[in-house]
This record gives sequence, structure tokens and C-alpha cells, in this order.
Amino acid sequence: EPEVTQTPSHQVTQMGQEVILRCVPISNHLYFYWYRQILGQKVEFLVSFYNNEISEKSEIFDDQFSVERPDGSNFTLKIRSTKLEDSAMYFCASSEFWTGPSPLHFGNGTRLTVT
Amino acid sequence: DAKTTQPPSMDCAEGRAANLPCNHSTISGNEYVYWYRQIHSQGPQYIIHGLKNNETNEMASLIITEDRKSSTLILPHATLRDTAVYYCIVTVNNNAGNMLTFGGGTRLMVKP
Repeated sequence: EPEVTQTPSHQVTQMGQEVILRCVPISNHLYFYWYRQILGQKVEFLVSFYNNEISEKSEIFDDQFSVERPDGSNFTLKIRSTKLEDSAMYFCASSEFWTGPSPLHFGNGTRLTVT
Repeated sequence: DAKTTQPPSMDCAEGRAANLPCNHSTISGNEYVYWYRQIHSQGPQYIIHGLKNNETNEMASLIITEDRKSSTLILPHATLRDTAVYYCIVTVNNNAGNMLTFGGGTRLMVKP
């Protein structure tokens, strides 16, 4: 069964550094998402992306975050200047349709640790 | 905030059916009920969804009450690998795709 893949599985960075988290969505999917989960807390929506632009974003997704689909297969989340509170699991997801019921398929996440 | 209410935890004996309840009393007519689960440290995994009718797939069954204010996810023969946090989510499909709002879910512990 096709799956969403994320790399790296674990990223350690120093506060103030830039990080790029990478995702390869399922190939025929049209919608892409980033969610995050701080340790012990709920899974939170960050952003959705369709047709090469952001469809919706949460309050968490401020100016330090950006997303990009640089080619036909990758979908990236960039954090420009990481803070300690950015430490979390970051999950990428994709879905097939843009209207009608369409489940999200999640990757297994990148654990980001900011020191 | 999540629009659903779930018990924080449940236990189930291995091989028995696990019945996970969810209240969604404010659900709108165009909102679907989705169930996902999250096995420790992994990404959420889609299980099943429904609008009005009961649904069944290879993983589970979803029973939605006639007034749509509550639902039950049924794992017919729970195994140890079904130990996970189960999330009941209601969402309307719109042009932004299926943005999901996760609540705290139900932590299901399947015991030998």
C-alpha cells in the first residue's frame, strides 16, 4: 500500500538555526498537510497546501514557517529560526480528493529537538 | 476545539470486541465522522469514516445513531497491536481539504 514518507526521522538543531523537514506524499494525492504534536499534547494542524499554494493555516503557522513543493514529489516544511518550543513531532499528510470525503494519510513523523 | 467527547481510556481483553464511544451532539448535516488511531510515536492512521449509515471495512465497523449525535467504533476481535489512542473527529469537506481537529482521544489498552 502506498505511504507517506518523511525524512529525517529525528532532527536535532540548535536554537536559531533553520531546519527543513521533508515529506514525499502519496503520488496521486492532491492535498498536502503538516501537523505537529508536542510531547504529551494533542496533534495540531499547521497548514494545508493545494495547487502550489497554502489553502489554510493555523495560528501556530506564523512567519517563521514556510512550505514548499519544490518538485513533483517532495513537500517541505521550513522553520527559519527555531525556538525551544518548536520541539515536537512533525507529521506530514496527504489526501486524494479536494472535495468529498477523503481520508488523510499520515507519515510517521520527524522528531525535531531544539537545544 | 474538538467537537467530540470521548472517554479518556478503556481496557479490552484480547480477542474480545472493543467498543469505543464518541459523542458529537453538535454535528452539522454536512459533517462526516472520522476515526483515526495513533500507535505510540507513530503518525495517525485512518480507520473508517461515515456520514449517516453504518460502515464496515477490514479494520472496523462504525455505528452512527439515527440522530447522528453519537457513534461507536467497533474493533471486532481486538489484538495487542490495537493498543493505541483512538480519535473520533467530525469534519466538513471544504475547499481546504479535510483539516482535522484532534481531541484527546481514547487510550485503548488491549490486555492478554
